[in-house]
Amino acid sequence: NAGVTQTPKFRILKIGQSMTLQCTQDMNHNYMYWYRQDPGMGLKLIYYSVGAGITDKGEVPNGYNVSRSTTEDFPLRLELAAPSQTSVYFCASSLPGVDTEAFFGQGTRLTVV
Amino acid sequence: DQQVKQNSPSLSVQEGRISILNCDYTNSMFDYFLWYKKYPAEGPTFLISISSIKDKNEDGRFTVFLNKSAKHLSLHIVPSQPGDSAVYFCAASSKGGTSYGKLTFGQGTILTVHP
Repeated sequence: NAGVTQTPKFRILKIGQSMTLQCTQDMNHNYMYWYRQDPGMGLKLIYYSVGAGITDKGEVPNGYNVSRSTTEDFPLRLELAAPSQTSVYFCASSLPGVDTEAFFGQGTRLTVV
Repeated sequence: DQQVKQNSPSLSVQEGRISILNCDYTNSMFDYFLWYKKYPAEGPTFLISISSIKDKNEDGRFTVFLNKSAKHLSLHIVPSQPGDSAVYFCAASSKGGTSYGKLTFGQGTILTVHP
């Protein structure tokens, strides 16, 4: 199994450009998440989804949008890139229920210049 | 408002010795705690977890201790190996209501194990 796959691994954007970070998982997990990690900081939750068609905001949702049309895919959209969105983005998935851990993708390093 | 704190940015230990990584939390609703390990240019990988109904959980060289009254948990690695060198994140979640497995992370501790 591939687990959680993110594309691209690296990207440089100019201010004001838009892009979509792709995330797909093959573990049939209901729950999916997007986190960002800034230097020297822990991961912060951007958006999450508990199933196809259901999404909700996390701690730092401003400047981002998500959709969840299938169980497998959970893309993250940046509409108007800003330097503050320079970060490493991690997608994760987990099973519902208690005492379960999240599985993470390898991350997308995004630089906005 | 940092609900999960790892106050030591880095820790350096000798191979074979014990590594102790610490984590404090403030939110009393947290009842499930996890440790993740992260190598450069990779995503975090799950290491070990503990539920609030326990005070200790072991998995091989890794043991996590939970002190609910102090809102403190620690990860012990014995014996430490050079391959353990990585960033370790403490994370917490609450089981009930609308938590949906959302994790709150600490800032991370960089562990370096010297041969």
